[in-house]
Amino acid sequence: DAKTTQPPSMDCAEGRAANLPCNHSTISGNEYVYWYRQIHSQGPQYIIHGLKNNETNEMASLIITEDRKSSTLILPHATLRDTAVYYCIVGAGANSKLTFGKGITLSVRP
Amino acid sequence: GAVVSQHPSRVICKSGTSVKIECRSLDFQATTMFWYRQFPKQSLMLMATSNEGSKATYEQGVEKDKFLINHASLTLSTLTVTSAHPEDSSFYICSARLGLVAQYFGPGTRLTVL
Repeated sequence: DAKTTQPPSMDCAEGRAANLPCNHSTISGNEYVYWYRQIHSQGPQYIIHGLKNNETNEMASLIITEDRKSSTLILPHATLRDTAVYYCIVGAGANSKLTFGKGITLSVRP
Repeated sequence: GAVVSQHPSRVICKSGTSVKIECRSLDFQATTMFWYRQFPKQSLMLMATSNEGSKATYEQGVEKDKFLINHASLTLSTLTVTSAHPEDSSFYICSARLGLVAQYFGPGTRLTVL
């Protein structure tokens, strides 16, 4: 599976949009981009996934560049409860192994 | 959304004993489940892939005789840590596949071996 690169940390103000970047320049044509987050001492929570098109659900939006080499997870109105480690993972469907990197630690400040 | 549960959430055991952790998909059937462990301040590491009705596939470096995995039904996979030692103390997390694309994770089990 292709590797991903994320900044180690970022912060944003409560109520503002949080834009979390991810680079996956070696992504293959059949590989999806997944985003999960992990709040301290809990299991990872699925957020969203996409293949080529931008995706939106009740939690977030996923913007994938046209060449698919990078993506951005957008939390439109961050709250304090969104403070977590966010993992960007690339894999070829649910049966493929999800290789967790270090993720990006998002801190939402009041 | 899809719900995956784990039991117990926390367990403390003596060195040399065995511990069983259950992973259940509550509102869907999962032919494939995954087991991870996470040490403090580290990321999740995949231990094995559990397929219903067949043997689990272990990642390199994971001892299959120490970490016994059984996936006897479409909603239940179990991980048994045999002859546990303090170095096995970790956060064990399972996930279950839903459909063709996404995996959903359980809340995790904190194992402490004294």
